[in-house]
Order: sequence, then structure tokens, then C-alpha cells
Amino acid sequence: GAGVSQSPRYKVAKRGQDVALRCDPISGHVSLFWYQQALGQGPEFLTYFQNEAQLDKSGLPSDRFFAERPEGSVSTLKIQRTQQEDSAVYLCASSFVTSGAAGSTEQFFGPGTRLTVL
Amino acid sequence: QQQVKQSPQSLIVQKGGISIINCAYENTAFDYFPWYQQFPGKGPALLIAIRPDVSEKKEGRFTISFNKSAKQFSLHIMDSQPGDSATYFCAASRRNYQLIWGAGTKLIIKP
Repeated sequence: GAGVSQSPRYKVAKRGQDVALRCDPISGHVSLFWYQQALGQGPEFLTYFQNEAQLDKSGLPSDRFFAERPEGSVSTLKIQRTQQEDSAVYLCASSFVTSGAAGSTEQFFGPGTRLTVL
Repeated sequence: QQQVKQSPQSLIVQKGGISIINCAYENTAFDYFPWYQQFPGKGPALLIAIRPDVSEKKEGRFTISFNKSAKQFSLHIMDSQPGDSATYFCAASRRNYQLIWGAGTKLIIKP
């Protein structure tokens, strides 16, 4: 398909385990965002990539969270030593334009990965 | 200054009625105001968006009204249908950057 895909769709982890969440953005999209959505809440920004460069990681809640996009396409969000408060849906979005540019600004979202930490 | 406040938290509307959801923002630097629709188990999908240089934008049954001086914008869904039942989020951003989201409105359309 042509949309943003994320895997796995569901992940159950025991407290203290490390997890890795994958995002495949729309081909050719320069910008990639990760958001965290708690149950019944709006998404909250985690981090932003422009191609392979991580330009903003101010939303990452702790140093247990790490994101990368080494070739400017697929991105991975890694959470080390998971805690119960990490339970949420992790959304990935991509956009054709770069931050600061004019033009269409729609962010296209994947279905999310629902992480449950026991 | 980064907040976007959304109301109501939930809304029940009869089929054929008008659904109205409101949002208010603080940061006057925001220049893009989208509304997203989210169904259970799915990611948010863009419904309609507006820039602050216009006061209204209409796409089919969906209309955004924008009041720059009041720093408010709203979504109107005309002739609401059961298939419109979903959670709706307003958001705001500045120059294609991170979206700042409202808390969401769960809309139920009663047949």
C-alpha cells in the first residue's frame, strides 16, 4: 500500500524489557514524526526527523526513549527498560515537506503500535 | 502558550443534525489548523484544514469556521450520519512542524 505502515500493531512487554517499534513512511516523504497517544487523549509529540537527521527530540519523556532513521526512510523508536507508564499507542506520521517550508502540510499517520507494559 | 483546548469532550447528535466541535488556541504564531478524524484502532486521518488568512472553509458536509481575533476555530458537520461516529481532534502547528493537539471529542450519531 501507499500509506504509512507500523509494526508490530500490538506489543505486550514485561516491565523492564526493551522494545523496538518500526515505522515505514510514505516513499519520498522527508519529514517523519513520532507521537505518543495515551488512552482517551490527543497525541503528544515525541520527536521529529528531516531525512536522517533528528532535528528535535524534545518530546521524548526520558533517556530510555531513543529514535533513529539512519537512511532517511524507515524509522525505529526504541524504549529501554519499559515501565507501566510507557503503555500507550505510538503513532508515526510522515509529511512531504520539511519543517519551515510552505505548501501542503498534511501529516499522514500510520495505524499506530499499541504498547502494553505489564 | 502551546495548548489547544477542545470542547466538548463528548457529543451525541441525532442523524441529520449538525455536530459542532470547538477549539481555542493561545499561540498566535500557529499558521495551520487541521481537524483529524480517528476511528477505534486506526491512526488519525486528516478531515479538513484551514490557514488563518481565511475565515471559513467548506468541504462537502464539513466546514471549519475560524476566528483569528478570538483565537478560536470550530468544526461543523452538517447532516450528520452514523458513519461520522468517531473521535475528532483539532490541532495546530507552525510552519509544518509538530502538531499540538486538542484532547479530542467523541462524537456519537444516533440513528
